[in-house]
Amino acid sequence: EPEVTQTPSHQVTQMGQEVILRCVPISNHLYFYWYRQILGQKVEFLVSFYNNEISEKSEIFDDQFSVERPDGSNFTLKIRSTKLEDSAMYFCASSELGLAGGDNEQFFGPGTRLTVL
Amino acid sequence: AQKITQTQPGMFVQEKEAVTLDCTYDTSDQSYGLFWYKQPSSGEMIFLIYQGSYDEQNATEGRYSLNFQKARKSANLVISASQLGDSAMYFCAMRDGRDDKIIFGKGTRLHILP
Repeated sequence: EPEVTQTPSHQVTQMGQEVILRCVPISNHLYFYWYRQILGQKVEFLVSFYNNEISEKSEIFDDQFSVERPDGSNFTLKIRSTKLEDSAMYFCASSELGLAGGDNEQFFGPGTRLTVL
Repeated sequence: AQKITQTQPGMFVQEKEAVTLDCTYDTSDQSYGLFWYKQPSSGEMIFLIYQGSYDEQNATEGRYSLNFQKARKSANLVISASQLGDSAMYFCAMRDGRDDKIIFGKGTRLHILP
C-alpha cells in the first residue's frame, strides 16, 4: 500500500541552524501539507501546497519557514534559523484531491521529530 | 472560526467494552468533513474514519463508527469491542468547504485495561 515517507525520523540541531525536513508524498497525489505537533499538544496546520505554490499558510508559517518541491517526488520544509520553540514533531501529508474531491483524505507520514538545543 | 472540542483528556476502558470518544465542532460552513485519527505512542497519525457533512448515514469502518449528529454539531467516535492495541491518543479533526487544511482537537488519550 502506498504511503507517505519522511526523513529523517529524528533531527537534532543547534538553535540558529537551518534544517530541511524531507517528505516523499504518495506518487499520484497533488496536494501536500505540513503540520506540526509540539509535545503533548494538538496537531497544528502549517502550510498547504498545490501546483508548485503555497495555497494556504497559517500564522505559524512565518518568514523562517519555506517549502519546496525540488523534483517530482520530494516535498521539503526548511526552517531557516531554528528556535527552541520549533522543537516539535513535523508531519507531512498528501491527498489526491483538493476541495473538489470527496472526503479528501489526507495521508500522514510517520513524522520527523525535531529537537532544537 | 472553525473549532474542534474534545472534552475528555483521558479515558480508561476495560478490554472488550465499547467506548465513545466525544467530539463537538463549530463551523459556519454548510459543507465540511470530519475525521478521526489515532496516534499511538510511536507518534504516527493513522486515519480511522471520515464523515461528510452531507452524508446521511453514519460512517463505519470495521470496529469504528462515527455517531454524527449534525444539529448538535457532534461527531463522536465509537470503538466496539475495544482491544489493548486501541490504547493511543485519538484526535477529532475537521476540514471545511473553503480550504484543504485540517484542524485538530486537543485529543483524548485512551487507555484500554486488560
